[in-house]
Amino acid sequence: DAKTTQPPSMDCAEGRAANLPCNHSTISGNEYVYWYRQIHSQGPQYIIHGLKNNETNEMASLIITEDRKSSTLILPHATLRDTAVYYCIVALSGTYKYIFGTGTRLKVLA
Amino acid sequence: GAVVSQHPSWVICKSGTSVKIECRSLDFQATTMFWYRQFPKQSLMLMATSNEGSKATYEQGVEKDKFLINHASLTLSTLTVTSAHPEDSSFYICSASLARTDTQYFGPGTRLTVL
Repeated sequence: DAKTTQPPSMDCAEGRAANLPCNHSTISGNEYVYWYRQIHSQGPQYIIHGLKNNETNEMASLIITEDRKSSTLILPHATLRDTAVYYCIVALSGTYKYIFGTGTRLKVLA
Repeated sequence: GAVVSQHPSWVICKSGTSVKIECRSLDFQATTMFWYRQFPKQSLMLMATSNEGSKATYEQGVEKDKFLINHASLTLSTLTVTSAHPEDSSFYICSASLARTDTQYFGPGTRLTVL
């Protein structure tokens, strides 16, 4: 079973920030939090990952709570091209298997 | 960087035939590759993990004699669906990771339709 829970769907207005939450209350101390997204009929695309500290890259920001039991992916200025299913995954590293949950279907509205 | 390709992108075959899907890491050496299957409107389900030069580790419920995985080099893994049946029709996705890095990179997927 997946170690993460996410809301099944969210809407966001174009140009606004999209905040996608993820609960991972059973995460162990050395597990990373990964975020991927899947646009219809494509393979998942890596977005960002982190261990303890907040992370930011050109695509998004990742905020991890101090107890590491939850995190939020932030897309600062959502566009229509960000419409996708977003998956939050916890794993020891990229060389360990990922268990995908059901993800959050984000719909960016014009 | 970190590009993973799959070939073919789609394939249609007759029931009872075998189909081979290739997964290549184009710009890095992948010590570990993974194979997933995704049915319509469902999430990805891990089928197996393969490490270069060793036998694949299959997830519970995945028939290793039906889904043959070969990881003969650091840039290539293949999945062969043997004696395919319509219920094997699915979207097959591979991923690859580089030793001592944190991340898996996914291929674009292969859509298999068995008639």
